[in-house]
Amino acid sequence: NAGVMQNPRHLVRRRGQEARLRCSPMKGHSHVYWYRQLPEEGLKFMVYLQKENIIDESGMPKERFSAEFPKEGPSILRIQQVVRGDSAAYFCASSLKREVYEQYFGPGTRLTVT
Amino acid sequence: GEDVEQSLFLSVREGDSSVINCTYTDSSSTYLYWYKQEPGAGLQLLTYIFSNMDMKQDQRLTVLLNKKDKHLSLRIADTQTGDSAIYFCAESTTGGGNKLTFGTGTQLKVEL
Repeated sequence: NAGVMQNPRHLVRRRGQEARLRCSPMKGHSHVYWYRQLPEEGLKFMVYLQKENIIDESGMPKERFSAEFPKEGPSILRIQQVVRGDSAAYFCASSLKREVYEQYFGPGTRLTVT
Repeated sequence: GEDVEQSLFLSVREGDSSVINCTYTDSSSTYLYWYKQEPGAGLQLLTYIFSNMDMKQDQRLTVLLNKKDKHLSLRIADTQTGDSAIYFCAESTTGGGNKLTFGTGTQLKVEL
């Protein structure tokens, strides 16, 4: 039973480029969460999605960041016109149901903006 | 508001017990969690406790919850070098959806 998968594991982008981070939840999980971990800090919630719906995006920066979880395929976190401050580890988690308070995390994507 | 705090570092000798502490401010916390993060890896859910419980034990791990003081602790018995990692405390609330609020993490170093 595969866990949460994220790719790429490492991503290097120059300032101004776009970054696309992918997350495939655990089999049977329909709830996806994205978190960001800045260097030497804890994880901060960004967005919570179900299939084709954004449920809570209270942690998303207002500009340049977007997320989707289509009916088919992985969830995508997209960062447009990246800046150095976007360098961080981005973790995806999934859960079985909204009521199940267990989130299983992927290995993360480490984004470096040069 | 939500705030979860942890001490930054803890060093113990192999075979000793480790106690990692966490305090939180949101009185509506429903579940409290402990996650482990090894270098370069994602987060591994170690255990969680429902807010109406005082204690939960799982093999070498014991979680204690003092709801009155909003204090959570994780005790690791017979600490091994493989336990060296960063340990994150987290909370979730009924009204906050399923999002987790994390502490800053405690780096546990196990010395021989």
